[in-house]
This record gives sequence, C-alpha cells and structure tokens, in this order.
Amino acid sequence: EVQLVESGGGLVQAGGSLRLSCTASGFTFTDNWMSWVRQAPGKGLEWVAHVKQDGSEKFYVDSVKGRFTISRDNAKNSLFLQMNSLRAEDTAVYYCARARESTKRFDHWGQGTLVTVSS
Amino acid sequence: QSALTQPPSASGSPGQSVTFSCTGASSDVGGYNYVSWYQQHPGKAPKLMIYEVTKRPSGVPDRFSGSKSGNTASLTVSGLQAEDEADYYCSSYAGSNNLYVFGTGTKVTVL
Repeated sequence: EVQLVESGGGLVQAGGSLRLSCTASGFTFTDNWMSWVRQAPGKGLEWVAHVKQDGSEKFYVDSVKGRFTISRDNAKNSLFLQMNSLRAEDTAVYYCARARESTKRFDHWGQGTLVTVSS
Repeated sequence: QSALTQPPSASGSPGQSVTFSCTGASSDVGGYNYVSWYQQHPGKAPKLMIYEVTKRPSGVPDRFSGSKSGNTASLTVSGLQAEDEADYYCSSYAGSNNLYVFGTGTKVTVL
C-alpha cells in the first residue's frame, strides 16, 4: 500500500523558515517524480514544487521561486521542502504527492501538514 | 499562471447526473491532453478520479467520466450518490515553466 506521511508543519513568524518532510513507503520511491501541493484555509489546491527521481531537475511555482527548495533523500525514501522567508500567504496545508510523469497526474497524496505563518 | 476556472457549486438529486466545467487556455487545458480531476472530502486529502482527460484509475466507479473540448474540460458524475458530495478540482499540465495548474474547485451537493 502506498503511504505518504508528511511532518514538520507548525506556527512560524513571517520571515522565518520551516522544513517539511514526507516519508514514502509501499512503492519504489526512486521510480517517481514527487511534488508538493498546498491548500490555503478554505481555498483551492496550488501546485508548489516538483522534483525528478534523482533530484537533478526541480520546478517551482513562481510565487515560491527563490524562497522554497524541494529536495529528496532516496536512501531514506524521503521528500523535503525547505521554506525560507515565509509570508502570511504561505499559510496552508502542504501535501506531498506522488507524480506519474508520463501521464502528468498525482496518483497518491499524503494527509498533509499545516503551516501557519503569523504576521 | 492563473487558476483554471470552475463553477463554485453544482448539485443534483440522488441518481441524477451532474456535469461541471474547467476552463483554461491554450497554454494548459487546450494545449495538452493532461487534464486530471480530484475529489476532496472535508478534512481529507485529494483523491485522483480522472487523468488524461478521460481515464479512470482502478477503483474509481465508472459513474465518473471526463471530456474536453478546446480550452474547457468537463467532469460528469452519473447516478449521483451521497458519498459523491465533495469538492472537485481539475488540474492541467501547463508546460515547462509552471508545470501544473489547478482549478478553483466545484462543491458538489447531493440534494
């Protein structure tokens, strides 16, 4: 069974930093691109970042470029999101999602971790 | 990259069908056959319901179907059931810069 478990969310002041983690199990982690998708309270989904199987290619939504860094540790089946210079508008539930690159879909999602940025 | 446009709400009685749209542009929905649909119940993670415009993952009932014409994709839920009451989001691949864009979401109510 595919499982994705996020951790690392919490309350942080504007301008601060936070590192999210996602631990994967039940599938071959190195076979898949991985993404972070976020959802602000009461709002819709927003794709945030995407990383290739070996970490060599990374993509970001414009609003987080230069502030967020996606990375992975394939030896530990783990995905990370380093978030710096946090803003109030970054407040959201952050989901880790397995991406199927050939069909551009997110076929498994974690339960999410809440990040709250106080201004 | 702007969010894809969905109607805020849709509704139907049990057993009826409901269809709602997802409108983008030639740079996303119209440019690729990579439209996906996700179902999200309150407080839960999204669940993939449709991918590549019309395909259903295993385990998704065939009551769910997708289509696309030009820059607009649509999701139809036939034979509405109480458990179909949820928020639905479309998503499209949007090219090599901002890779993915999601829709604004449609809340489906089963009357």
